[in-house]
Amino acid sequence: GIQVEQSPPDLILQEGANSTLRCNFSDSVNNLQWFHQNPWGQLINLFYIPSGTKQNGRLSATTVATERYSLLYISSSQTTDSGVYFCAVEPPNTGFQKLVFGTGTRLLVSP
Amino acid sequence: DTEVTQTPKHLVMGMTNKKSLKCEQHMGHRAMYWYKQKAKKPPELMFVYSYEKLSINESVPSRFSPECPNSSLLNLHLHALQPEDSALYLCASSQDITSVETQYFGPGTRLLVL
Repeated sequence: GIQVEQSPPDLILQEGANSTLRCNFSDSVNNLQWFHQNPWGQLINLFYIPSGTKQNGRLSATTVATERYSLLYISSSQTTDSGVYFCAVEPPNTGFQKLVFGTGTRLLVSP
Repeated sequence: DTEVTQTPKHLVMGMTNKKSLKCEQHMGHRAMYWYKQKAKKPPELMFVYSYEKLSINESVPSRFSPECPNSSLLNLHLHALQPEDSALYLCASSQDITSVETQYFGPGTRLLVL
């Protein structure tokens, strides 16, 4: 099946710093989403981005589908950005919206 | 309203108990999902319901029994679980199973099996 690898696995930032998280996937995909899982376990949708670039406040994401990667940019990080960031992809030809989650990046933003 | 709710938030059960997890959404979505997430691992799909019918079972053991009583509700019945079944159980919904829109997740139920 499709492999979804994220890097780095762990990241520690000072408040106010910027960061880039990467998601590599091993096959073409129909769909790619970024999620933030807060320390209480809630998965929060950040972006639906099968291709192109989107921005939402301090966050932006870019997916280059032809090269099988996506990037999530966090600018001016805040302590509330702490948690685990997952990308999730939908492999082709599954017939339904099956999301395969990446390995995750655990982010800690310290004050 | 883009909210998916789950109850209970926490559950402790013995291996001989029977319990149920509940998930509810009022977004008019016709696809609902159960995921299992072990500590420090990504969520893994368990079941998919489409228009209240079970569409996908990802080879989940029969001690987990899903049920979709109506388009807004999804249950997961638990019986004779093992300690290794301890995990965060997440429910999600989307417009339908072929939708290219995002899935919305509930806050999860943390299950501990003793």
